[in-house]
This record gives sequence, structure tokens and C-alpha cells, in this order.
Amino acid sequence: DAEITQSPRHKITETGRQVTLACHQTWNHNNMFWYRQDLGHGLRLIHYSYGVQDTNKGEVSDGYSVSRSNTEDLPLTLESAASSQTSVYFCASSESSGGTDTQYFGPGTRLTVL
Amino acid sequence: DQQVKQNSPSLSVQEGRISILNCDYTNSMFDYFLWYKKYPAEGPTFLISISSIKDKNEDGRFTVFLNKSAKHLSLHIVPSQPGDSAVYFCAAYNNRKLIWGLGTSLAVNP
Repeated sequence: DAEITQSPRHKITETGRQVTLACHQTWNHNNMFWYRQDLGHGLRLIHYSYGVQDTNKGEVSDGYSVSRSNTEDLPLTLESAASSQTSVYFCASSESSGGTDTQYFGPGTRLTVL
Repeated sequence: DQQVKQNSPSLSVQEGRISILNCDYTNSMFDYFLWYKKYPAEGPTFLISISSIKDKNEDGRFTVFLNKSAKHLSLHIVPSQPGDSAVYFCAAYNNRKLIWGLGTSLAVNP
């Protein structure tokens, strides 16, 4: 069965360290998204990609970067982790980008920055 | 400022009764809406959607109603079951990106 996976599921790191969260989907979807979920803010879009070599900034992109070298993977990198980046991170994918797509989500990564 | 608002953070319902979850939006250009359900320690899962050309969409126990003039959506779950206890998110497409509400936590009591 096609799926979307995230690793690690839990991560504790220190302020200033570089951290990379992995996202891998076997749906063969063109579109991939990274969100963070925080109390009082719902889901907020960090970065998104509509295909290989395409990346775009979302509403809360500062301090994060992504790269899309193949269809299946969109790793999220925190260049220098900050305590404000403690959150739960969700990756999602969808088939096309016409504005009516269902997005399918991974199980999430809980990141703690000490 | 929240463009998609779920004004009730929580809702408690008896098993077998109807659950009604509400969602308001501010931008009349939003034309496609989705509801997701989320269990603890899991990602959101798609539940049901509705296009602005419709005012109702049904899928089994779940029905979504759209009132465009009031910029209001509601999700009805009938009958409610304990397994429906979860956080429900309303989301709207804007410029090919989803805008999310803060969620409503539903508790269905046996």
C-alpha cells in the first residue's frame, strides 16, 4: 500500500544544531508540504514543492529549508535550531495542485529544542 | 488574523446522538473546503470535502453543509460513535494552499 512516512518520530536537540527531518512518500505524488502544529495556531505551512527541483516558501519559512531531488522525498532542514522551533512537524503529499486536492499526511515528528 | 475559524475548541456528545461541528471563513474567494480528523500522535486524515458549487455533501455518517452567503460550514456526524472522538479540522483552499482552522476536539461519551 502507498504511504507517507516521517523519521524520526521524536527528536531532542540543542539550540544551534542543524537538524533534518525526513519525509518519504510512495504515492508518486507531485506535491509535498511541510507543516508545523502548535497550540493556538493550528497547522501552518512551512515549505512546499510542486515537483522535482521546485520549492516554495510558506507562511512560516524563516529558519527552515527544503530540497526536492526526487519525487519521493522532501527533507526539512532546520539550519540552526531555536527553542521557538519546538513543535510537531507534519509532512503531506497530494497528486496535483489544482486547488481541490486531498492532502495525505504522515504521522508527524515531535521535535524538542533545548 | 484567522481566515478559517472554528470557534468551539471542544464539544461533548452522547453516543448515538448528532455531533455538529462548525466552521466560519472570512474570504468569499475560498471555493473548496475539507474536513480532517486527527487522533493523538497521528497525522490528520481526510474525512470529507465540499465545493462551493454545492451546499451539501454526504458520505455515510458524515455530512458537510455549506452556506456561502453566511460563509459558514458545518460537519454533521450521525450517529456519533466513541471512535469519532478526535480533533476535527476545517480547511479551505486559497491560491492552491490549504488554510486551516484551529480545530475542535470532539468527545463522544458512551
